[in-house]
Amino acid sequence: EIVLTQSPGTLSLSPGERATLSCRASQSVPVSYLAWYLQKPGQAPRLLISGSSSRASGIPDRFSGSGSGTDFTLTISRLEPEDFGVYYCQQYGSSLWTFGQGTKVEIK
Amino acid sequence: QLQLQESGPGLVKPSETLSLTCTVSGGSISSRSYSWGWVRQPPGRSLEWIGSLFNSGAYYNPSLKSRVTISVDTSKNQVSLALSSVTAADTAVYYCTTIGVWWYFDLWGRGTLVTVSS
Repeated sequence: EIVLTQSPGTLSLSPGERATLSCRASQSVPVSYLAWYLQKPGQAPRLLISGSSSRASGIPDRFSGSGSGTDFTLTISRLEPEDFGVYYCQQYGSSLWTFGQGTKVEIK
Repeated sequence: QLQLQESGPGLVKPSETLSLTCTVSGGSISSRSYSWGWVRQPPGRSLEWIGSLFNSGAYYNPSLKSRVTISVDTSKNQVSLALSSVTAADTAVYYCTTIGVWWYFDLWGRGTLVTVSS
């Protein structure tokens, strides 16, 4: 089973600032099989990025994903108030799906 | 636009079977080839994959495999989850999802909280 470790655990930033979130895998993950989600309090997660870098429908271009192998990054160029919440990365491999433990992006 | 809505008992006794239904609206699940997933989230914790159902078969989290069954009822436009022999560790919000081309969870239901307690 591939373990995903996200860092930092919490990111305290102000609106307008840049956010950089990391997702590190215990084994190499094909770029096609890495996704990112945002979960706001009391809501279901929402798909942001699939295939490491492809934005889902309706996701603004301030969100970008990158990376390969074992290291992946989600970047939010300028934080908007609606971007605050918990971000999860997720991978697929060998008929198993796993999630990272999440990075909370909070308002500073 | 497809929408998913989970439903089922909010309280289940230890050792019993947790049964949830995901009702699909906005389209017929038999009109195209959908793939389905169930994901859960214990209170205050991260997301945990439970299982996935494709036309080719089902895949389950190894830690739950002996207790889980996912099935589809096309006549009712529903996807079901059964988890047997539950304990307090199975207390969580349970989400129904669709699975996209590259094995990501693209559409989610709002989730339903299931508490395991006597």
